[in-house]
Formats: sequence, structure tokens, C-alpha cells
Amino acid sequence: GAVVSQHPSRVICKSGTSVKIECRSLDFQATTMFWYRQFPKQSLMLMATSNEGSKATYEQGVEKDKFLINHASLTLSTLTVTSAHPEDSSFYICSARSGLAGLLGDTQYFGPGTRLTVL
Amino acid sequence: DAKTTQPNSMESNEEEPVHLPCNHSTISGTDYIHWYRQLPSQGPEYVIHGLTSNVNNRMASLAIAEDRKSSTLILHRATLRDAAVYYCILSKQGGKLIFGQGTELSVKP
Repeated sequence: GAVVSQHPSRVICKSGTSVKIECRSLDFQATTMFWYRQFPKQSLMLMATSNEGSKATYEQGVEKDKFLINHASLTLSTLTVTSAHPEDSSFYICSARSGLAGLLGDTQYFGPGTRLTVL
Repeated sequence: DAKTTQPNSMESNEEEPVHLPCNHSTISGTDYIHWYRQLPSQGPEYVIHGLTSNVNNRMASLAIAEDRKSSTLILHRATLRDAAVYYCILSKQGGKLIFGQGTELSVKP
């Protein structure tokens, strides 16, 4: 099956610093990657959609200058939380989709998530 | 995007079948029905998806009503490892996945 990895799995940082989270598709090329965040006891909330080589499309209410997304290659997308504050503490999850024709081309494969704690 | 309605929680016994319902009365003709599940502190895992016909794979079966206004995810023999939150999501081909609250399935030994 398709595998998506995230790095780091957990990170603790001080308020005001920036944190970069990597999302990689290990065995397929992902034309589209998605970033979600999840607060405790809540469902996943889609933050943005990124297509390789294009600017990310952000969901309403998500600050694009705070959550910088780069999708420079077909296997790597990064999310940078700039000037992080305690309220940004959350579980950040990425997913990737190949977009190829066929049953699995439209399926999103999720990474294991990154737990961010901002002190 | 059309919405789905799922029970907040369900219980099952180990090694028995589980039927997880999902209502989607406003589904459009181009909406696919996706099921994902999420174990605690993990990313969601793809389970199955379909459009009109029932679907089977190694994990589960998806039964879609004839009018497509509801569907049922069937786990044929529940194991303790199937305890998770199950999400039923409608999405057009190439579209986004918007997660609802899902059904928290607990499995009793």
C-alpha cells in the first residue's frame, strides 16, 4: 500500500519560534498533498491543499502567512508554522494523493501525524 | 459539500460482524462515499470507497443503498484492533475530504 511519512513525529518549541514539518510520499508520486490539524477530542480540520509546483489553496479562516506550505516536489510537502504560539499546539496530519487514473489514484493516504506543543 | 450523519458511538463484540451506518440524504450523483478510520494518536487509514455498487476489499465491505442516501460499512469479524473512529465522507472525484465527527467503535473481548 501507499506510504506517507511525517517528520518529526513530535516537537516542542518555545513561543515565537517557527517549526517546519515534512510530509513525504515514500512509494508514489503525489500530485496533491493536504494538511490537516486536529485538536484533542475533535475531528480533523482541513487547512490547505497543495499541488506540486503551485501555491497552496487555504481553507477559510486559515492564515496563509502563519502556515506556510511548500510542495516543491512530487514526494515532499512542508508546513512551516511561523511565530508559533500555545494556541497552535495541535496534531498536524498530512495526506497525499497520486491523482492517477484508477481506484487508488483518488485515494488519500495519510501520514502518522506530528504532535506540536508550543510552550 | 453534502453532509453525512453517523452515530456518535457503537459497541461490538470481538469476532462478531459490525455494521456502521451512514446517512447522506443530500448526496449528489457525482459524490463518492469514502470510509476512513483513525486509531488514537495516528493519522487516518483508508478503508474503502464506492460510488453506486457495493464494494468489497480485504478490510471491509461497503453496502450502498439503491437510492444512495445511505450506506453501511461492514466489518465481517471485529477484532480489538478495529476499535477506532470511523469516518464516512462524501467527496467528488479529485475533491477534498471534509471530516465530520465520525463513529467511535469500541470492541469488547
